[in-house]
Amino acid sequence: GNSVTQMEGPVTLSEEAFLTINCTYTATGYPSLFWYVQYPGEGLQLLLKATKADDKGSNKGFEATYRKETTSFHLEKGSVQVSDSAVYFCALSDDNYGQNFVFGPGTRLSVLP
Amino acid sequence: SAVISQKPSRDICQRGTSLTIQCQVDSQVTMMFWYRQQPGQSLTLIATANQGSEATYESGFVIDKFPISRPNLTFSTLTVSNMSPEDSSIYLCSVGDRGPHEQFFGPGTRLTVL
Repeated sequence: GNSVTQMEGPVTLSEEAFLTINCTYTATGYPSLFWYVQYPGEGLQLLLKATKADDKGSNKGFEATYRKETTSFHLEKGSVQVSDSAVYFCALSDDNYGQNFVFGPGTRLSVLP
Repeated sequence: SAVISQKPSRDICQRGTSLTIQCQVDSQVTMMFWYRQQPGQSLTLIATANQGSEATYESGFVIDKFPISRPNLTFSTLTVSNMSPEDSSIYLCSVGDRGPHEQFFGPGTRLTVL
């Protein structure tokens, strides 16, 4: 079956540091890939997505590129802020109706001032 | 994107009781989903709820424990029955629909069972 693996956290960075959170996946076919963010005490928010190989999703300074050859979708940001402290979930879906979502275990990011 | 609200936002309940969680969407959607997020963990799908049909439960979840209603295209409820401390989790409602591919999530209901 489909699966998503993320780098284990927690990740602690200083403000303005560079962020990478690794995500790799296993899936049959060509899934859509997502990054969701969960701020403390809140639900999940879609951060960015990519629906085909070589697509780059971007939002709020975060980027991730759909790499089919390495089955990866790593999340990056050039300069993190304290407000980026949250849990980040990588996910995939192989369905056009928003079904069959598989979430990674989540990576907790703490950004220190 | 859809705007989703859940009630209650949090609750503390006694073991053996039941709690019904409501999920309201600001637009008509085909697919609604209920997830459980245990403390410090990822999301686990409980069931998929389509309007006009019985909910489809994932392995490990049964209708007697987690009955779901989906009376129309904007509303659903999840009941957590005969609760035990192991049911203490965040319960999340989400929606999906044709085309967008993604799921949109509600703010969650934080349940503590004593």
